[in-house]
Amino acid sequence: AQTVTQSQPEMSVQEAETVTLSCTYDTSESDYYLFWYKQPPSRQMILVIRQEAYKQQNATENRFSVNFQKAAKSFSLKISDSQLGDAAMYFCAYTGTASKLTFGTGTRLQVML
Amino acid sequence: NAGVMQNPRHLVRRRGQEARLRCSPMKGHSHVYWYRQLPEEGLKFMVYLQKENIIDESGMPKERFSAEFPKEGPSILRIQQVVRGDSAAYFCASSPVVGSGNTIYFGEGSWLTVV
Repeated sequence: AQTVTQSQPEMSVQEAETVTLSCTYDTSESDYYLFWYKQPPSRQMILVIRQEAYKQQNATENRFSVNFQKAAKSFSLKISDSQLGDAAMYFCAYTGTASKLTFGTGTRLQVML
Repeated sequence: NAGVMQNPRHLVRRRGQEARLRCSPMKGHSHVYWYRQLPEEGLKFMVYLQKENIIDESGMPKERFSAEFPKEGPSILRIQQVVRGDSAAYFCASSPVVGSGNTIYFGEGSWLTVV
């Protein structure tokens, strides 16, 4: 079974600074996808970024980028120029041959003024 | 293009009552997923449905919980004889086609409180 591990229950960052959230996963599949979802206080699940395992290039979406290390099974999220609106729970997720998502336990990000 | 629509957003039930949560997928999406989020935890997969078929129910509790996605109308997650431990946020998600990596879009969730 696939597992997703987020070892940082909480992180904080100063506004305008950069923060990296960690995620590792375990799988025996070769074809899979990885995602980061953001859950603000409204509790809605918002897709931040996705990465195809077969692509070597790291995905980027504006201020959000990932560091995908396939051999190490690591998928960290970097948030640059942090803004107050980035404060939320961040969940790393995996999907493989089964269509369902497996989520990590989440990292709560605080953004300080 | 409306997103995934869930209702009710908030539901309060007494122990022993039934809870019905509804989900309308995004237009053009034929695959529906239900996830449960207990307080201070991540989302846990419950069930994956296509129209009139349950594809994967490996995350569904064996008793009291059922799900359907009829040919017409929304998907329904039904919880019979609710207990306090069923209090959680229930998220529905949809995707356009089956296959690894198709982005899954989430609704805003339904919060069930059992008193």
